[in-house]
Order: sequence, then C-alpha cells, then structure tokens
Amino acid sequence: QKEVEQNSGPLSVPEGAIASLNCTYSDRGSQSFFWYRQYSGKSPELIMFIYSNGDKEDGRFTAQLNKASQYVSLLIRDSQPSDSATYLCAVNNANYGGSQGNLIFGKGTKLSVKP
Amino acid sequence: KAGVTQTPRYLIKTRGQQVTLSCSPISGHRSVSWYQQTPGQGLQFLFEYFSETQRNKGNFPGRFSGRQFSNSRSEMNVSTLELGDSALYLCASSPQGGSYEQYFGPGTRLTVT
Repeated sequence: QKEVEQNSGPLSVPEGAIASLNCTYSDRGSQSFFWYRQYSGKSPELIMFIYSNGDKEDGRFTAQLNKASQYVSLLIRDSQPSDSATYLCAVNNANYGGSQGNLIFGKGTKLSVKP
Repeated sequence: KAGVTQTPRYLIKTRGQQVTLSCSPISGHRSVSWYQQTPGQGLQFLFEYFSETQRNKGNFPGRFSGRQFSNSRSEMNVSTLELGDSALYLCASSPQGGSYEQYFGPGTRLTVT
C-alpha cells in the first residue's frame, strides 16, 4: 500500500508569518505532486502542482519538491486568517491506478492562522 | 469553464435504502473519480471512470457501483445503505486521469439514519 504522510497538526501560526506544510511519500516512481486546500465543510480545491525538483512559486504559495528525499512541502508567506484550512498533499500513483486510484492523498494538515 | 457539478448536495436516507449520486465533469475532461470522505479516514478512493469504462476500483463492497455516460457524466449508486455509509461523497474530474490533476466538485453530503 503506497502512502502519503502528513503531520495532522494543528499547525498554528500568527498572521503575517510563514506557514510550512510538509509531506513525504513512499512511491519512488511518482512524478506529479499536488496541494489541495479544504475549508471545513467544503470540498478540496487544487492550489498548486509541481512536477520538477526545486521550487515553484504562485503568489504567496511556494511548493518545494525533493524527489531524492521523497519530500514535498508547501510554504505560505504572509499567512492570513483566511488561509486557515486543512491542506491535503496528493501524489500520483506510478502504477496508474489500481485499488488506490490515480492520486494518493495524505490525510491533511490542519492550519490555523491566528490574527 | 464551468466547474464540476454534483447533485444532490444533501441527502438523508434510511438504512436499507439505495441512493444514486450524479456528477458532471468539467467540459472536455474524460476521467471521473469518486471518493468517500469521513472524519478521521481521509479521502478513500471508490472508482474511476474513463471513456465510459471503469478503469480503477477501490476496496469497497459491491454495494457501491458506478457508471459513466458518453457525455462523461457519471453516477454512483449505493444499495442497501448502512449507517457507516454516512459521508461526504466527492467527484473529481481530470483531463485524462493518470498523473494529471483532479478538480473536485462540491460533494454530496449523505446521511443514513
């Protein structure tokens, strides 16, 4: 069973700080990595994806990928109370599906940004 | 482009009944995946449909089934409902499935009493 591991949190940061969310994965063949944000009672929303080693920036969000260490992270700069949500890491299943589906999701890290 | 739509948004059923949920993917997307989400369990994969064919299936009992139509719309059915089936059911649309990104619909909140 392939796994994606995330610290469940809650991760609490003050408004304006940098929030750092981490994710490790077991499938060494994975090539696509995604971050989803899920507000309480809502469905997951895709906010970032990364395919290559290194950093990818989009506004206040930066995704970092290290395939050798099987590690992907999401940095949120200038955190706002509206960023308070659960962040799900997802990794493609290199075997293209099977009983776990195409994307394997972590259970999420709950982020709380305090005003 | 319009996003993924799911109907109904909320549903209350009694044990033993059956239910059908519907999903319309993003226009042009051919892959539809279904997930069950419950507190503490995270997202659990149910099945994926691509071009009207079930391509992958999760570890759920046969009471859970689905199908996809030629216009890529998908339905999932749960027969003989159990209390443990109470969950948020999410449909995700993808251009091709596989390693491509998935976009989620708003979900159907099913409560079984």
